[in-house]
Order: sequence, then structure tokens, then C-alpha cells
Amino acid sequence: EPEVTQTPSHQVTQMGQEVILRCVPISNHLYFYWYRQILGQKVEFLVSFYNNEISEKSEIFDDQFSVERPDGSNFTLKIRSTKLEDSAMYFCASSDGRSSNQPQHFGDGTRLSIL
Amino acid sequence: AQSVTQPDIHITVSEGASLELRCNYSYGATPYLFWYVQSPGQGLQLLLKYFSGDTLVQGIKGFEAEFKRSQSSFNLRKPSVHWSDAAEYFCAVGPLEYGNKLVFGAGTILRVKS
Repeated sequence: EPEVTQTPSHQVTQMGQEVILRCVPISNHLYFYWYRQILGQKVEFLVSFYNNEISEKSEIFDDQFSVERPDGSNFTLKIRSTKLEDSAMYFCASSDGRSSNQPQHFGDGTRLSIL
Repeated sequence: AQSVTQPDIHITVSEGASLELRCNYSYGATPYLFWYVQSPGQGLQLLLKYFSGDTLVQGIKGFEAEFKRSQSSFNLRKPSVHWSDAAEYFCAVGPLEYGNKLVFGAGTILRVKS
């Protein structure tokens, strides 16, 4: 069964550094998402992306965050200047989008640790 | 605003016993409802979904859930729990429009004792 893949599985970064989290969505999917889960808290929506532009973003997704689909397969989340509070598990998801009853499929996540 | 409540943070059941995990939602219209499971160190795996029609939906791994509009609930059930079901379970709600965000509950951690 096709799946969403994320790399790396764990990223350790110094505060203030830039980090890029990578995702390969399911190949025929049209909608892409990033969510995060701070340890012990809920999974929170960050951003959705469709047709090469952001379709919705949360208040968490401020100017320090950006997303890109640099080629036909990858979908990235960049944090420009990381803060301690960015430490979380980041999940990428994708959905078909061609019909309204297709769910989002999630990757295994990238654990981001900011030191 | 959309919200999802999972009132039980932890639940412990004996292997072979039945299971019910509660989920209540607040939403302005009929939502799409989902249950996801997360094993330690893993991502979120879709167990089942409700979009319309029959209010009792079957999912993978022997799970089922029942949508009750009058109670704004979507409880997850399994008649006989296996030790491998130990994980964290998340209820989520999404809009009818595609491409929009899911709102997750806080999760329920299921422990299975032998």
C-alpha cells in the first residue's frame, strides 16, 4: 500500500538554526499537510497546500515557517530560525482530493529537538 | 469553533475484554469523523472514517465506531482487545470540503493487561 514517507526520523538542531523537514506524499495525491505534536499535547494543524500554494494555515504557522513543493515528489517544511518551543513531532499528510471522502494519510513523523 | 473531546486520557483493559473509547465533537454541520491510532514511535494510522450513510462503520483490526448525531459522539469499539492494540488513539473531525484541516482530540492511551 502506498505511504507517506518522512525524513529524517529525528533531527537535532541548535536554537536559531534553520531546519528543513522533508516529506514524500503518496504519488497521486493532490493535497498536502503539515501537523505537529508537542510532547504530551494534541496533534495540531499547521498548514495545507494545494496546487502549489497554501490553502489554509493556522496561527502557529507564522513567518518563520514556509512550505515548498520543489519538484513533483517532495513537500518540505522549513523553519527559518528555530526556537526551543519548536521541539515537537512533525507529521506530513496527504490526501487524494479528487473526491470529498478521501482521508488524510500520515507519515511516521520527524522528531525535531531544538537545543 | 470545531473541537474534539476525548474524556479518557488513559484506559486499561484486560486482553480479551471489550473496549469502548469515547469521542465527542463540536461542529457546525455534519462533519467527517475519523479515528487514528499511533503506536510508540510510529505515525498516525487511519482506523476508520465516517462520511455519511450507515452510522456504524467498520475499520481495520476489528474496530468499529458508531456516529450518533443526537449525542455528537463517535465512539470507537472493539469486542475483544489484543495485546497488540496497546497504543494511543485519536479521534479527529474534518469539514466536508476537501483539503481542509483535521482537528484532533487529545488522545486516549490504551493499555492492555494480560
